[in-house]
Amino acid sequence: QTVVTQEPSFSVSPGGTVTLTCGLSSGSVSTNHYPSWYQQTPGQAPRTLIYSTNTRSSGVPDRFSGSILGNKAALTITGAQADDESDYYCVLYMGSGFGVFGGGTKLTVL
Amino acid sequence: QVQLQESGPGLVKPSQTLSLTCTVSGGSISSGSYYWSWIRQPAGKGLEWIGRIYTSGSTNYNPSLKSRITISVDTSKNQFSLKLSSVTAADTAVYYCARVAPNWKFDPWGQGTLVTVSS
Repeated sequence: QTVVTQEPSFSVSPGGTVTLTCGLSSGSVSTNHYPSWYQQTPGQAPRTLIYSTNTRSSGVPDRFSGSILGNKAALTITGAQADDESDYYCVLYMGSGFGVFGGGTKLTVL
Repeated sequence: QVQLQESGPGLVKPSQTLSLTCTVSGGSISSGSYYWSWIRQPAGKGLEWIGRIYTSGSTNYNPSLKSRITISVDTSKNQFSLKLSSVTAADTAVYYCARVAPNWKFDPWGQGTLVTVSS
């Protein structure tokens, strides 16, 4: 069974730049997987950040950007702020009508 | 502004069937080319896609749960539902419903509802 991989944790300094990735246990991520990214804080529902690889959802600051880097999807946060400290999840469309979420990355801003 | 709200029992006994409903407000469940999906999250763990339904009734399920899942839609009530049979403690989680666009954008999400499997 295909596994979607994400870094379990990452840390970034305030004002710094961080890139989180979303890969596959087998194969490469492409735009055909329609990668999307979600931010979740404790006790809250996920918030949509990026969809279709690199389209920002309404109201999302432009310091969040999405891309394909090598064989993975990537979420880059430029100028990290304290309230960016959250869990980040990607989801990939695997074809045949089903999708798989990554395990999530816990981002610490310190 | 479309909003989603999950409802259902917060406690289910082992081996029984978990039943949840997602009510869509602020728009018709039948408008647009959207799927309607269920996602769950055990405490302290990541998100797991359960399945989705189109208003025609067409469904797609997570292969690992497929034998136990039924997702249905009631367009007259603007609702869709999840049934998960033969539950165990491993099915204890916060269950979310969400609208899914053709480009696999999950938005909006419901607030989530905690379901605990325990005798």
